[in-house]
Amino acid sequence: GNSVTQMEGPVTLSEEAFLTINCTYTATGYPSLFWYVQYPGEGLQLLLKATKADDKGSNKGFEATYRKETTSFHLEKGSVQVSDSAVYFCALKGGSQGNLIFGKGTKLSVKP
Amino acid sequence: DTGVSQDPRHKITKRGQNVTFRCDPISEHNRLYWYRQTLGQGPEFLTYFQNEAQLEKSRLLSDRFSAERPKGSFSTLEIQRTEQGDSAMYLCASSLLGINEQFFGPGTRLTVL
Repeated sequence: GNSVTQMEGPVTLSEEAFLTINCTYTATGYPSLFWYVQYPGEGLQLLLKATKADDKGSNKGFEATYRKETTSFHLEKGSVQVSDSAVYFCALKGGSQGNLIFGKGTKLSVKP
Repeated sequence: DTGVSQDPRHKITKRGQNVTFRCDPISEHNRLYWYRQTLGQGPEFLTYFQNEAQLEKSRLLSDRFSAERPKGSFSTLEIQRTEQGDSAMYLCASSLLGINEQFFGPGTRLTVL
């Protein structure tokens, strides 16, 4: 069945450091891929998405590229801020499937 | 606020009691989803509705769980005879048919003592 694997956290970075959170997936067909973010005490928010191979999703300085050949959707940001501290979830949605399948989440802490 | 809302935000109950949660989706969203999230894990799918029809149920949804969306607007999730293992955050999300993006509510945190 479909599944998502994320790098385990927590990840601790200093402000302005480069961020990569790895995400790989297993799916039949051509899923859509997502990154959601959960700030402390808040609900899940969609950060970015990509719906087909080689698409790049971007938002708030974060980027991820849908790589079908490596079945990956790694999240990157060139310069993190303290306000980026949150839990990040990679997710996929299969073609005819209604629900999202999430990874376990990666907690990011950014220190000033 | 026009986002997804959930009520209550927190619920503490004793083992064996029944609980019911409510979700109000974004108006005009015809799909509504329920997920469960335990500490340190990603959300896990429970069930979803398209309008008032319940289209899919996860194997996680035991016979103690029931969900309804009677008029295709708000939805309720009931857990009967709660167990300590039911303690989790219950998340609701909504979307428009044909649109991949799901919008999540703040969740209801259930604690079963």
